[in-house]
Amino acid sequence: DQQVKQNSPSLSVQEGRISILNCDYTNSMFDYFLWYKKYPAEGPTFLISISSIKDKNEDGRFTVFLNKSAKHLSLHIVPSQPGDSAVYFCAARVLNTPLVFGKGTRLSVIA
Amino acid sequence: DTGVSQNPRHKITKRGQNVTFRCDPISEHNRLYWYRQTLGQGPEFLTYFQNEAQLEKSRLLSDRFSAERPKGSFSTLEIQRTEQGDSAMYLCASSGRLTKQLTGELFFGEGSRLTVL
Repeated sequence: DQQVKQNSPSLSVQEGRISILNCDYTNSMFDYFLWYKKYPAEGPTFLISISSIKDKNEDGRFTVFLNKSAKHLSLHIVPSQPGDSAVYFCAARVLNTPLVFGKGTRLSVIA
Repeated sequence: DTGVSQNPRHKITKRGQNVTFRCDPISEHNRLYWYRQTLGQGPEFLTYFQNEAQLEKSRLLSDRFSAERPKGSFSTLEIQRTEQGDSAMYLCASSGRLTKQLTGELFFGEGSRLTVL
């Protein structure tokens, strides 16, 4: 069973606009949520995280929102840049256990 | 900080052969993870070590797979009698103490791509 779901395989956004990537989860025991970015032929790199006790975390152009009642989180990128084009993975974990990843969303930022 | 290093980066083998991948984690990191990624999927957890102890193995890790981390430094992942379904990217990640481990942040290597013909 997929505990972390990214239902949009791809997203296209114009440069300068907002990119919104969504993630749903089923396990209410998750205590940390993370977003990773992956370029082709490279390993995933950490982008931003949020604790389950928060509802928002911001780092520069990247903001993650958590809605625990809906078991939903989203990553906002503002403004989007061509270099943001990559596959974005949502991940989560329970306490000190290994991360569980979603299937990813491919973001294309069009100049 | 040299990052997580994996080799070989690519391996092509014939069905039934054995293959071994090596991972060198960030030197001060005590946890080391192996994940597998196939096309259209996210990374799937295989196993992880804390120092030299293997703490957890996924159901994905069949008897043909074995991982070791002697002396708590580098790790190897061996696949015996490879099958075409083993074709995937094998990702290694490590995590350090305290803050990063608190948030669950992992540092990934570039992966080892396996193609089984």
